[in-house]
Amino acid sequence: QKEVEQNSGPLSVPEGAIASLNCTYSDRGSQSFFWYRQYSGKSPELIMFIYSNGDKEDGRFTAQLNKASQYVSLLIRDSQPSDSATYLCAVRGDQGGSEKLVFGKGTKLTVNP
Amino acid sequence: KAGVTQTPRYLIKTRGQQVTLSCSPISGHRSVSWYQQTPGQGLQFLFEYFSETQRNKGNFPGRFSGRQFSNSRSEMNVSTLELGDSALYLCASSLRRSSVSTDTQYFGPGTRLTVL
Repeated sequence: QKEVEQNSGPLSVPEGAIASLNCTYSDRGSQSFFWYRQYSGKSPELIMFIYSNGDKEDGRFTAQLNKASQYVSLLIRDSQPSDSATYLCAVRGDQGGSEKLVFGKGTKLTVNP
Repeated sequence: KAGVTQTPRYLIKTRGQQVTLSCSPISGHRSVSWYQQTPGQGLQFLFEYFSETQRNKGNFPGRFSGRQFSNSRSEMNVSTLELGDSALYLCASSLRRSSVSTDTQYFGPGTRLTVL
């Protein structure tokens, strides 16, 4: 069973701090990694994707991937109360062109003003 | 460009009934995937369609089925509803250029199904 694990949280950080969200995955053949944000009562919204080892930055968000350790993380700099949401890590394996994503159960982030 | 649309947004059914949910992908997107989200199990993959063909199926009973039309719109059907089918059903679309390529998925607003 291919699994994606995330700390359920809640993770609480003060406004302006760096929030660090972590995710590990079991399938060594995984090729693509995604972070989605989900506000309460809403659907998941794509924040970032990363395919290669290393860091990828987009504004206040940085995704980090380490395939050897089967670990992917998301850093949110200068956290804002509007960042308060559940963050979902999703992994896509090498499945002959399948779009299937395996999701972690999410980490709930609260940014306190 | 309009996003993924799903209808209906909310649905209340009773046990034993069947339900059909609809998804219209982003214009130009050719691949549609369906997921079920519950508080206990999180987001779980149901199935995906590309070029009117089911490409992959998750670990759900045969009561769950789907199809895709030539305009890429998709429907999923759940027959003989059970209480445990109460969930948020999410549709995601991607551009997907070929049967062997993959792309980023964008989610619709979901259909909230309640089974009484």
